[in-house]
Order: sequence, then structure tokens, then C-alpha cells
Amino acid sequence: GENVEQHPSTLSVQEGDSAVIKCTYSDSASNYFPWYKQELGKRPQLIIDIRSNVGEKKDQRIAVTLNKTAKHFSLHITETQPEDSAVYFCAAWIDQAGTALIFGKGTTLSVSS
Amino acid sequence: GAVVSQHPSRVICKSGTSVKIECRSLDFQATTMFWYRQFPKQSLMLMATSNEGSKATYEQGVEKDKFLINHASLTLSTLTVTSAHPEDSSFYICSAHPGAGVTEAFFGQGTRLTVV
Repeated sequence: GENVEQHPSTLSVQEGDSAVIKCTYSDSASNYFPWYKQELGKRPQLIIDIRSNVGEKKDQRIAVTLNKTAKHFSLHITETQPEDSAVYFCAAWIDQAGTALIFGKGTTLSVSS
Repeated sequence: GAVVSQHPSRVICKSGTSVKIECRSLDFQATTMFWYRQFPKQSLMLMATSNEGSKATYEQGVEKDKFLINHASLTLSTLTVTSAHPEDSSFYICSAHPGAGVTEAFFGQGTRLTVV
């Protein structure tokens, strides 16, 4: 089955710096890659996603890049703010009925002011 | 977006008792729902796939007799933790995809289970 690896497990940056989180996946059939932000005790919140027919997607300070050949995708957060501090998960999914999201292990991002 | 509601949000139970967690899709029908478990500071681990009208599919290492899943309607899946033990204490969360061209998965609020 699908396996998603995520790095780093923790990331500390200064406010205003950029943060990059990287994920790799194993199943070449995966074609949808969302990123989630999760605060303690809450459900994951989708922050950005990308489909396999696109190489890059941007939404204000957040961008995601996808390299299907290498089977890796990355989250880029620019101009980080303290409120960006949270746990971030990448996931991979095969867009067909009955398949589940498979998550990476998560990255704890700390943004200090 | 679509709404998935999970109940209860928190439950404390005694060892040996059973706890039922409900997951409802409020504005769409879900033939498939997914149950995840999340231990502190860890990721969401898929436990099982709940299939409406048929048996659930369990991931390797998940005891089907301990974690009973029932998906009796297109909008409701239940997870029952039977004979709960302290090591079952965790955050349980369900999700569903609306389908019909909507790729995004929607999550319930999660249930914090504490077994004492």
C-alpha cells in the first residue's frame, strides 16, 4: 500500500522566514496530495492541495510543489507568522472510490517572534 | 464545504466497558467512511474503512473484534471500542469524501477517549 514519508519532524523558524516541509510517497497511482494543519485536539484543516496534473500551486503565503517523477511534494510557507505554529501533515490519495488518505508523520512548526 | 459530525467529542470510560463513537455526514451521502486513530504527538493512522451495507476493511494490526464498525446507512458510521483498556486511550477521528467530483476529505471533530 501507499507509504508517505515526511521531513523534518520539527522545524523552528524566526518570524518572517520561510519554512519548507517535504514529503515522498511510494504509490505512483496516487494523484491527489493535500496538506493539513492541525491544532491540538482539533480536526485537521486543509490548507492547500495539489493534483497530479499540476506542478505547483500557490495561495497567498502558501505554495505546494509536486514532482511526480521523483514522487515527492513540498509545502512552502513564506513570511511565517507566530500563528503558523502548528503541526502540519502531508497526505497522498488515489482518487477512486473506497480509498483513504494516507498521512505522513507530521511536522511540528514553531515560529518565534 | 461538506460537513462531517462526530459524537461524542470527549468520553471517559472505565476499563472493560465499551464506548460507541458516531460519525455522520450531514449534507452528503457517504458509501465509505474512514476511521483514524491518533496518539499524542503522532500522525493519523488509518484503522479501517467503513463500507455502507457491508463489512468494514481493517488495516493490518487492528483487531476487528475490538473495534467494531457498523455503517448501516449512507450517512452514519459507528465505531465501538469494546472492552476498553487504558492503552486504547487516544484521539479517534472519522473522515469521508463527498465524491461527485469533490476530492477533498472532510473530517469529524474527533473523539478524545480516555480509559481509566
